[in-house]
Amino acid sequence: GAVVSQHPSWVICKSGTSVKIECRSLDFQATTMFWYRQFPKQSLMLMATSNEGSKATYEQGVEKDKFLINHASLTLSTLTVTSAHPEDSSFYICSARRPSVRGYEQYFGPGTRLTVT
Amino acid sequence: AQSVTQPDIHITVSEGASLELRCNYSYGATPYLFWYVQSPGQGLQLLLKYFSGDTLVQGIKGFEAEFKRSQSSFNLRKPSVHWSDAAEYFCAVGAHGITGGGNKLTFGTGTQLKVEL
Repeated sequence: GAVVSQHPSWVICKSGTSVKIECRSLDFQATTMFWYRQFPKQSLMLMATSNEGSKATYEQGVEKDKFLINHASLTLSTLTVTSAHPEDSSFYICSARRPSVRGYEQYFGPGTRLTVT
Repeated sequence: AQSVTQPDIHITVSEGASLELRCNYSYGATPYLFWYVQSPGQGLQLLLKYFSGDTLVQGIKGFEAEFKRSQSSFNLRKPSVHWSDAAEYFCAVGAHGITGGGNKLTFGTGTQLKVEL
């Protein structure tokens, strides 16, 4: 299967600071990348969808000025949590979509645990 | 709108026993269906997918799933469970067509599998 990496795997930051999370598709070019947020013992909540070279599409209720997404290339997307607050503490997972013979496959990164103190 | 229901929040099976995890979907056309597995603190790993054709699909780690259009189901099965299979399992449905912000995977709420030794 394809590999998606995320960095860092965990980060602790102080309230008011910004944190950048990188997501890379290591062995394929991703037509579309997605950012999810997951609360403990819950399913994934889609935050935004991004295509390379274009602005991200945010889900309703997700603040685009707070969660900045940059999709710089077909293998790299970044999520920046600006002016982080304790309520932003969560598990963030990126995902990359790859075409396949009869459709597509979507692969997930290992996640980033963000703790805001 | 598409939706996914995983009726079982928790399932406990003995090691070596067979397993079936249920997934029901709602979608207006032929869906793309996926099963993912998530270990604690990790991202999601793709187990298998259905796009079209043979309704019984084989995946990794000995898992299989059967698409039943008449029942709107895509249940995951394994004939003999191993202790290492203990994890959270997510079923997801997506639309045909690979790109675009409107083509998002919709996830079920997950089933937590516990394996008794």
